[in-house]
Amino acid sequence: EIVMTQSPATLSVSPGERATLSCRASQSVSSNLAWYQQTPGQAPRLLIYGASTRATGIPARFSGSRSGTEFTLTISSLQSEDFAVYYCQQYNNWPLYTFGQGTKLEI
Amino acid sequence: EVQLVESGGGLVQPGGSLRLSCAASGFTFSSFPMSWVRQAPGKGLEWVSAVTGSGGNTYYADSVKGRFTISRDNSLNTLFLQMNSLRADDTAVYYCAKATTSWFYDCWGQGTLVTVSS
Repeated sequence: EIVMTQSPATLSVSPGERATLSCRASQSVSSNLAWYQQTPGQAPRLLIYGASTRATGIPARFSGSRSGTEFTLTISSLQSEDFAVYYCQQYNNWPLYTFGQGTKLEI
Repeated sequence: EVQLVESGGGLVQPGGSLRLSCAASGFTFSSFPMSWVRQAPGKGLEWVSAVTGSGGNTYYADSVKGRFTISRDNSLNTLFLQMNSLRADDTAVYYCAKATTSWFYDCWGQGTLVTVSS
């Protein structure tokens, strides 16, 4: 099983500042990595796929990148609606997908 | 607009059964693989089961293998999850998710809560 490790578990940032979230895969997943945002009581929402492609309707302040098995989600200027939990997910081996444990982004 | 609506959750005793449904609309249901993903209270996301577009191939996490059965009725645009021999650690919100042709999930339902307790 591919293990996805996210860091930090909680990130405290002020509105307008930049947030950087990390995700590491235990083995190569190529660029088959997605990021999801989840607010309380809601379903996950796709933000990024292919490690760096924004999903339809996602603001440009969200960006993703890859370096080997290290992945990064950057939110350039935090808005109030961005405070949520973020999950990375590898989809390299259908359907045995695995998720990171999540990063809570708080004010 | 793509929409997934789950139903069928509720309170069940340990050892009991439930059948979840996920009604799909806004896309050609039979063309896409579908999955169930669950989230225990206050925890992260766990893949549970998946089925190909035709329904011919099914897959399960080790934690549910032999107890859960995934199926789909493409004529009804509906995905199912039959859950038997339920245990306390099956308590979670269950989401259905649509996979794209590139295999990532692009749409999720709102979830249905399953509580296993005596």
